Amino acid sequence: DQQVKQNSPSLSVQEGRISILNCDYTNSMFDYFLWYKKYPAEGPTFLISISSIKDKNEDGRFTVFLNKSAKHLSLHIVPSQPGDSAVYFCAASEGDDKIIFGKGTRLHILP
Amino acid sequence: DTGVSQDPRHKITKRGQNVTFRCDPISEHNRLYWYRQTLGQGPEFLTYFQNEAQLEKSRLLSDRFSAERPKGSFSTLEIQRTEQGDSAMYLCASWGGRGRETQYFGPGTRLLVL
Repeated sequence: DQQVKQNSPSLSVQEGRISILNCDYTNSMFDYFLWYKKYPAEGPTFLISISSIKDKNEDGRFTVFLNKSAKHLSLHIVPSQPGDSAVYFCAASEGDDKIIFGKGTRLHILP
Repeated sequence: DTGVSQDPRHKITKRGQNVTFRCDPISEHNRLYWYRQTLGQGPEFLTYFQNEAQLEKSRLLSDRFSAERPKGSFSTLEIQRTEQGDSAMYLCASWGGRGRETQYFGPGTRLLVL
């Protein structure tokens, strides 16, 4: 039973355009959501997070939006750059508990 | 470099052999996690330690798996009688406790069981 779902295995976006990665969750007790970025042969690295009491968090080119009623969050990257090509994992946790990851979306930034 | 190191980075073994992986977390972090990542999946939680105490184990952690964290510093994950289904990337993460975003992952150990 997947509690965090990323339904798009891959996404291709032109350099300079906006990349939108989507994530759905089923556990209404999750109170913290994170996005991680992963390059091949490396561990995931933290990108941006959002608490359930907020609906938006922005950090430079990265913005995460949370829609609690729809149990949906999205990561916006604008403008997209070649170095953004990686696998992006959506993740969630409840309290100080372990982090639950989605399956990931592979983002390709096209020149 | 996140400050979390794992050794070895790659391991090839034959089915039925035992393997042991090591994780060295960030020194002041008291919580340490083990995850497993298979192809096409995200990292899946296996177990975690608060200092030297193992506080939770996933049902993914069969009795062939054992983890230790003596003295609350480095941790080891041992797999006995390896099976081909154990082939995966094993990730370690340490957490300083100030916020969930401060869980730092190591580079992982890629295991291939032949």
